[in-house]
Amino acid sequence: DQQVKQNSPSLSVQEGRISILNCDYTNSMFDYFLWYKKYPAEGPTFLISISSIKDKNEDGRFTVFLNKSAKHLSLHIVPSQPGDSAVYFCAASPNYGGATNKLIFGTGTLLAVQP
Amino acid sequence: GAGVSQTPSNKVTEKGKYVELRCDPISGHTALYWYRQSLGQGPEFLIYFQGTGAADDSGLPNDRFFAVRPEGSVSTLKIQRTERGDSAVYLCASSLNGGTETQYFGPGTRLLVL
Repeated sequence: DQQVKQNSPSLSVQEGRISILNCDYTNSMFDYFLWYKKYPAEGPTFLISISSIKDKNEDGRFTVFLNKSAKHLSLHIVPSQPGDSAVYFCAASPNYGGATNKLIFGTGTLLAVQP
Repeated sequence: GAGVSQTPSNKVTEKGKYVELRCDPISGHTALYWYRQSLGQGPEFLIYFQGTGAADDSGLPNDRFFAVRPEGSVSTLKIQRTERGDSAVYLCASSLNGGTETQYFGPGTRLLVL
């Protein structure tokens, strides 16, 4: 049972435009959410996070939005750059401030930013 | 400073063999995590160490999988009697103190069981 879902396996965007990556979750106990970026043959790299007490977190070109009632979060990248081309994973943790913070990942979305 | 390193980067073995995968976390990080990523999937949690002890091993798929961290630094993931379904990329991550501290991932070990 996939608790974190990324329903778009791929997304293509023109350079300079906005990229919007979506993620849905099913477990209402999740209270901390993250986005990781992964290039081929490398490990995932942390991008941005948000706790359930917020609905928006912004870091430069990256903004994450959380809609708890819809159990939905999204990552906005604006403006998109060719170097942003990578696989983006949404992840959730059920233990904010808890003992493990193991991460539960979605299946990823491959973003291609066209020059 | 140095990031998380994992050795070997690639491992090919035969069904039924024993393998060990090594993880060197970032110096000073007390928390260490193992994940497994199968083709087309996201990383899947296996086990979490806080210091030398396994605080959460709920993700280990069966008793063929075992991990140790005897001195609270380097960790070894051990797989006995490997099966073709064990083929995956095994990722290690570390964080400063666990909790919501950022997990930093290594490049992974790509395991292929023939």
